[in-house]
This record gives sequence, structure tokens and C-alpha cells, in this order.
Amino acid sequence: GIQVEQSPPDLILQEGANSTLRCNFSDSVNNLQWFHQNPWGQLINLFYIPSGTKQNGRLSATTVATERYSLLYISSSQTTDSGVYFCAVEDSNYQLIWGTGTKLIIKP
Amino acid sequence: KAGVTQTPRYLIKTRGQQVTLSCSPISGHRSVSWYQQTPGQGLQFLFEYFSETQRNKGNFPGRFSGRQFSNSRSEMNVSTLELGDSALYLCASSLLKREGPHNEQFFGPGTRLTVL
Repeated sequence: GIQVEQSPPDLILQEGANSTLRCNFSDSVNNLQWFHQNPWGQLINLFYIPSGTKQNGRLSATTVATERYSLLYISSSQTTDSGVYFCAVEDSNYQLIWGTGTKLIIKP
Repeated sequence: KAGVTQTPRYLIKTRGQQVTLSCSPISGHRSVSWYQQTPGQGLQFLFEYFSETQRNKGNFPGRFSGRQFSNSRSEMNVSTLELGDSALYLCASSLLKREGPHNEQFFGPGTRLTVL
């Protein structure tokens, strides 16, 4: 089955810093989503991005489907950005396959 | 528009018992998927229902089952609970044509199940 790898696994930054999170996947996918999981477990949708580039405020994402990777950019980090960021891809069986996440800690 | 809701939010059970979790999707969404999240295994797909029919199933034992009602609300049931079933159970809803890939999936807050 498809393998989804996220890097880095952990990231500690000062407030105001920028960061780039990466998601690599091993096969072609139907679509790709980025989520932020807050400390209470809620998964918050960030981007639905099977290909191309999207921006939403301080966050943006780019998926290059032909090269099987996606990047999530966070600019001017705030403490509320802390949490775990997941990439999930939909395989040919229409199942979401999840990466292991990037744990982000933003220090004030 | 109200989001995905799940009840109960927290549950404590003992080994051997059974449990039923409920999920109400976003209005108009007919696809409901269930996921299990544990520290060791991460997020794993359980099953998906669309128009009261199971559309897809992950690699979980038969103790895990589900159903969907005509109003798209879904329930999942775990029988003969084991310690390893302790997890956060998440459901997601999406707009979906009967065939083909999903549109964006939206998640509920989850039910945290502890098995003692």
C-alpha cells in the first residue's frame, strides 16, 4: 500500500519564525489533505490540495503530484499554531492513508 | 452550518464489554468514515458508510462494526472490548458521489475510549 512519510517528526520554534513541513507519498493518489490536530484531539482542516498551490492567511501549501510530495508553509508562527500536523492521502481504494505527523511547538 | 458531532466525548469501559459510538455528519453529507487513533499505530481507517451501505472497510477484526441510518447518522460498535481498543475514535463526513474519490473530509471532535 501507499506509504506516507512526514518530516521533520518534531519541530520547536520561537514565535514569529517560519517553517516548512514536508509530506512524501510513495504512489499516485486521488487527493491529499493537511490537518492540524489540537491538544484536545480535534482535527482541523487546513487544505484539500491534490495538486497546485493554495494559501490561507499565514498558511500555504503546495502539492507536486508528479513528484509525490506536498509542502505546508507556516509563516510568522504563533503559539496557537502548536500541535500535530498531519498529511493524509486518498489511495486508489478511496481510503485515507495518514502520515505519522509533525509535532510543532511554538515557544513565546 | 453545524459541524460533525460525536457522542459521547469520553467513555470508560471494562474488558469484555461492548460500546456504541455515534456520529452525526454535516447536513447534506452522505459519506461517514470512522478512524481509530492510538499512540502506537497512529490514525487508521476503520470503515466508511454511504447511503446506509458500507462502501469501504479497513483491516480491523469483526468485533468492530458499524451502520448508517437513513438520516446519514452513523454508529460504530465494538464488542468484547480489549485493552488495546483504548483510543480516540474519530468520524469524518464528506460530500461524495457514489463512485469515485472523496471531496474534502471534515472531522468530529472524537470519542476518547478507555478500556480498563
